[in-house]
Amino acid sequence: DQQVKQNSPSLSVQEGRISILNCDYTNSMFDYFLWYKKYPAEGPTFLISISSIKDKNEDGRFTVFLNKSAKHLSLHIVPSQPGDSAVYFCAASDYGAGSYQLTFGKGTKLSVIP
Amino acid sequence: SAVISQKPSRDICQRGTSLTIQCQVDSQVTMMFWYRQQPGQSLTLIATANQGSEATYESGFVIDKFPISRPNLTFSTLTVSNMSPEDSSIYLCSAHWQGRTEAFFGQGTRLTVV
Repeated sequence: DQQVKQNSPSLSVQEGRISILNCDYTNSMFDYFLWYKKYPAEGPTFLISISSIKDKNEDGRFTVFLNKSAKHLSLHIVPSQPGDSAVYFCAASDYGAGSYQLTFGKGTKLSVIP
Repeated sequence: SAVISQKPSRDICQRGTSLTIQCQVDSQVTMMFWYRQQPGQSLTLIATANQGSEATYESGFVIDKFPISRPNLTFSTLTVSNMSPEDSSIYLCSAHWQGRTEAFFGQGTRLTVV
């Protein structure tokens, strides 16, 4: 029973265009959501996060949107660059309950084509 | 930024043997965790490494198979015992620092059991 789902295993985008990565969750107790980026042979690197009290968080080229009623979040990368090619993981946690444990999706492999 | 050193980075092991993975962080952390990523799957939490006491294991993971130590606030080990080919995965150490909501990860240990 996957509580965090990334339904697109892969995504290809032209350089300079927008990349949109999607994530759905089922556990209503999740109150904090994170995106991680992973290159081959490296550990995941934190990218951006959002609290459930917000619906948008922006950091440079990266914006995360949260739709609590739909239990859906998305990561927008604008403009996409070849160096953004990596696997992106969505993760969620119940920080309100004092839990630092993360529940991850399976990841989406983003390929940015020059 | 946080530094988490994990070793070995990869290993090929014979079935029936055990491997101990080490995780060293560069400053005292609040929490340390061990995750597993099986091929094509998401990161799955194995256990929370508790300083000075027994680790807290998630459903499906047991101490006899994955003994964990955390003798101080900056170091932890995970042992994969009596290995079988099904244990072939990437094992990742993760840490939380006080006041930070995001987790940081080591570079991972790619284990192949033959």
